[in-house]
Amino acid sequence: DQQVKQNSPSLSVQEGRISILNCDYTNSMFDYFLWYKKYPAEGPTFLISISSIKDKNEDGRFTVFLNKSAKHLSLHIVPSQPGDSAVYFCAATTFSGNTPLVFGKGTRLSVIA
Amino acid sequence: KAGVTQTPRYLIKTRGQQVTLSCSPISGHRSVSWYQQTPGQGLQFLFEYFSETQRNKGNFPGRFSGRQFSNSRSEMNVSTLELGDSALYLCASSPDGKQNQPQHFGDGTRLSIL
Repeated sequence: DQQVKQNSPSLSVQEGRISILNCDYTNSMFDYFLWYKKYPAEGPTFLISISSIKDKNEDGRFTVFLNKSAKHLSLHIVPSQPGDSAVYFCAATTFSGNTPLVFGKGTRLSVIA
Repeated sequence: KAGVTQTPRYLIKTRGQQVTLSCSPISGHRSVSWYQQTPGQGLQFLFEYFSETQRNKGNFPGRFSGRQFSNSRSEMNVSTLELGDSALYLCASSPDGKQNQPQHFGDGTRLSIL
């Protein structure tokens, strides 16, 4: 049973436009969420996180929104740049950080110049 | 500051063999976690070690094992290899293992089983 779902395996966006990557979770235990970005032949790198006490967190061009009632979060990238082309993983854990990360299957973002 | 180092980067084995993968964490990091990534499956948690003790274990068969040394370096062992074990194996380190803090990943070991 997949507890963290990224239902879009891939997404193509024009350079300069907004990229929206979605993630759904089923386990109510999760209350802390992280996004990681992965380039080919490299390990994932941390991008941004959000806890359930907030509904929005911003870091430069990246914003994560959390809708607890819908068990849904989204990552917005504005404006999208070709260097953002990568696989993006959503991950969930608990606020205490004592629960292993549960990852989604990832969404491959292609930003077209 | 050196990042997380995984060796070897690539490995080819045959069914029934065993394999050992190595992970050297960032200096000062005491926690090492291991993940398996297969096509279309995302990253699946294998286990986490902190100060030489396994603190958490994922849902993998006993053929998958690991250990951590006093210098925080970690090894992962897979015995009696199966075709389905072909995957990218990633390790991640962090100072204290808190999963709500950024994990620092190595570039992985790609294991192919023939």
